[in-house]
Amino acid sequence: KAGVTQTPRYLIKTRGQQVTLSCSPISGHRSVSWYQQTPGQGLQFLFEYFSETQRNKGNFPGRFSGRQFSNSRSEMNVSTLELGDSALYLCASSLGPRDRASPLHFGNGTRLTVT
Amino acid sequence: QQQVKQSPQSLIVQKGGISIINCAYENTAFDYFPWYQQFPGKGPALLIAIRPDVSEKKEGRFTISFNKSAKQFSLHIMDSQPGDSATYFCAASRDFGNEKLTFGTGTRLTIIP
Repeated sequence: KAGVTQTPRYLIKTRGQQVTLSCSPISGHRSVSWYQQTPGQGLQFLFEYFSETQRNKGNFPGRFSGRQFSNSRSEMNVSTLELGDSALYLCASSLGPRDRASPLHFGNGTRLTVT
Repeated sequence: QQQVKQSPQSLIVQKGGISIINCAYENTAFDYFPWYQQFPGKGPALLIAIRPDVSEKKEGRFTISFNKSAKQFSLHIMDSQPGDSATYFCAASRDFGNEKLTFGTGTRLTIIP
């Protein structure tokens, strides 16, 4: 079974630009979550989607947004990029919120560098 | 506000020794406590998890000890091996859900021969 796939693996953008990251969950998984990982702040929850609806949102500014498609694939978008947005963005999938035994499976992330 | 505090930040253990990583949480609503292992260039992978109705869970060389009254939990790695060298994260969530995890800051574990 293929794991969580994130594209692209690496991205370099300049301040003020916007970026879209993509995530394909494990087949059959309907819940997708996004996390930001930085050396200073560690792993921080961005948001979670299930059945194309955002269920939870972390403490990030409105520049960070996401969506989920009917096939459970998800995208996250960051507008007006700032230097501090440089991070590893991780996507994770699970069967869904009602399946409490379903662990989170993480992808290998997209490394975003803002210059 | 950091709701899950993890220590130590880094740890060096000799091969065959016991590695111990500690975490403390503040939110008493947390009811699911997983540990993740992350290798360079990879995403975190679930290692072992515990719920507060048990005080200990063991899977192979990995054991979680949980102290509900002290709001602390720890990971013990027995017979540590060089392949265990990685960064370990504790985490917590509420409502038995695991989609919205609050992570500790991580421990970089190095096992030396």
